[in-house]
Amino acid sequence: QTVVTQEPSFSVSPGGTVTLTCGLSSGSVSISSYPSWYQQTPGQAPRTLIYTTNTRSSGVPDRFSGSILGNKAALTITGAQADDESDYYCVLYMGGGINWVFGGGTKLTVL
Amino acid sequence: EVQVVESGGGLVQPGGSLRLSCAASGFTVSSNYMSWVRQAPGKGLEWVSVIYSNGGTYYADSVKGRFTISRDNSKNTLYLQMNSLRAEDTAVYYCARVPVWELFFDYWGQGTLVTVSS
Repeated sequence: QTVVTQEPSFSVSPGGTVTLTCGLSSGSVSISSYPSWYQQTPGQAPRTLIYTTNTRSSGVPDRFSGSILGNKAALTITGAQADDESDYYCVLYMGGGINWVFGGGTKLTVL
Repeated sequence: EVQVVESGGGLVQPGGSLRLSCAASGFTVSSNYMSWVRQAPGKGLEWVSVIYSNGGTYYADSVKGRFTISRDNSKNTLYLQMNSLRAEDTAVYYCARVPVWELFFDYWGQGTLVTVSS
């Protein structure tokens, strides 16, 4: 069974930089997994942040960036703001019959 | 403006059925991939199903054989027929567009809540 791993929680100070990661229980994440990232606040639908590893969705501030770091996909927030406090989900495209697998999400606290 | 709006959620008894709808505007459903993603209360996102532009369909193992994804091109609407519902299917169900070959979810609806309980 394919498991996508994310840090359950993370904390960052206002103005600070944080990198959230998205890995595989076995194997490496690459651009061919088409990693994408979503932000969700309670009671709201997910908002698309990053797709195909490092492309920002329309309207997303440039302080959000995506990359591959080692064997994981990564979402970096530079200059964190209070309203960045949200849940962040990555999803990987696995192809075949599996299609997409979401990570468990990272709850980001800005304090 | 691109928009997707889900409907059809509600309370259903275990073993029952429900059909969710996702009305799209601002784009053509049949020219894109369309997917359902769900979120159980207090839990993370889970991919459920996709219908490709060529009509091919795929399902998560957790719903395979019980759920059926389809679309009505004349109504520009996506559907999810859910049969043999279980308590663990209780979730907010989101409809999302997947741009062809881009393989990510770019537009999401507001979601519709399905509660399976006696």
